[in-house]
Amino acid sequence: ETGVTQTPRHLVMGMTNKKSLKCEQHLGHNAMYWYKQSAKKPLELMFVYSLEERVENNSVPSRFSPECPNSSHLFLHLHTLQPEDSALYLCASSQDAGRDAGELFFGEGSRLTVL
Amino acid sequence: GEDVEQSLFLSVREGDSSVINCTYTDSSSTYLYWYKQEPGAGLQLLTYIFSNMDMKQDQRLTVLLNKKDKHLSLRIADTQTGDSAIYFCAEAFSGGYNKLIFGAGTRLAVHP
Repeated sequence: ETGVTQTPRHLVMGMTNKKSLKCEQHLGHNAMYWYKQSAKKPLELMFVYSLEERVENNSVPSRFSPECPNSSHLFLHLHTLQPEDSALYLCASSQDAGRDAGELFFGEGSRLTVL
Repeated sequence: GEDVEQSLFLSVREGDSSVINCTYTDSSSTYLYWYKQEPGAGLQLLTYIFSNMDMKQDQRLTVLLNKKDKHLSLRIADTQTGDSAIYFCAEAFSGGYNKLIFGAGTRLAVHP
């Protein structure tokens, strides 16, 4: 496998469920990101991790809880979500998290639907 | 504040040129990027331009940067059906880490 892999690709959950999104990068990068993509809206940066340390929490509600156990894996734990949280959640990585570190490599995303 | 704006749709005929426009707000951005998202896929870097450049050409792609007006454009020459995708403009946020601010994306539809 190469690049950035996200699972599951599709997820449907009720508002009371607890689920997790997983991201794995095989690029040897040190920084990982969660973005939210909603229709007709700019991509929203949610979290940034650098060497497993969170460096950005972009005013994201606490019902989204990220976890970065090592530099290759990133999770997004979901609980008591709202229908408006339905979106495509994109994971990305880059060589490091310094400014102008350059290209982000994205996974294919996890399409989340909250009923 | 941080804001990148793009028009949402563009429709062109196959073989014509496509021009996708973008405006941004952070005048200290060092790099500006164009990413492409094909259906069912994540974003892929298409090209980028350094802020001290006015133009960059890469095969069928031409990027123009007007720093005074904070305007970025992507021109695709001889547009093909395979170019149909969503194109995102992004600027590098002037903060201390690698934060890219994306626009909402322009959906390019190429028709025969």
